[in-house]
Amino acid sequence: QVQLVQSGAEVKKPGSSVKVSCKASGGTFSSYATNWVRQAPGQGLEWMGGIIPVFGTTNYAQKFQGRVTITADDSTSTAYMELSSLRFEDTAVYYCARDLYCSPTSCTPRPMDVWGKGTTVIVSS
Amino acid sequence: EIVLTQSPGTLSLSPGERATLSCRASQSVSSSYLAWYQQKPGQAPRLLIHGASSRATGIPDRFSGSGSGTDFTLTISRLEPEDFAVYYCQQYGNSPWTFGQGTKVEIK
Repeated sequence: QVQLVQSGAEVKKPGSSVKVSCKASGGTFSSYATNWVRQAPGQGLEWMGGIIPVFGTTNYAQKFQGRVTITADDSTSTAYMELSSLRFEDTAVYYCARDLYCSPTSCTPRPMDVWGKGTTVIVSS
Repeated sequence: EIVLTQSPGTLSLSPGERATLSCRASQSVSSSYLAWYQQKPGQAPRLLIHGASSRATGIPDRFSGSGSGTDFTLTISRLEPEDFAVYYCQQYGNSPWTFGQGTKVEIK
């Protein structure tokens, strides 16, 4: 059974960057897209972007374009999300979640069926 | 971008009652790629329904989804104590993926 294990909580200063990791265990990593979804305190879910490791392609929400970088390391089945130029309003829980399944020739839309437990990022001066 | 609007914002019900949650899309959701998630405080979301009406693995049959196009519904036939939570709809047919703002089902 696939599990996504995320890195620990972070406290960062405004203007700095944070890099959160998400390691997959118990299943195939590269054929599924790994997404990043965040949730500010008391707020709803917000999709930030995702990566399809088998193709090395990324897709970002327009809101985060230029500030977020999502990467993946097939050798360790780990995805990363780096958010730069942090602001107070970036304080949130950041989740990774698996969805889209891709063969070498095509991708099949899937819901986010496996989620990490979340990583709390606090931006504070 | 497809905007998903959930209603009501809060639903106050008693255990044993029926809950009906709505999710309306600003444009048609391609191939009914619409999912519902349940989230409890301090936990990650859990997938309940995908493809608008298919229950995810291990989800009790008191949860059902329906709808197509722009109008979707999640129904909980008889609320159990563990069902009081926040529910989100999400479309995964058109990028960017989007979520509704959530419906909180609270104990009356």
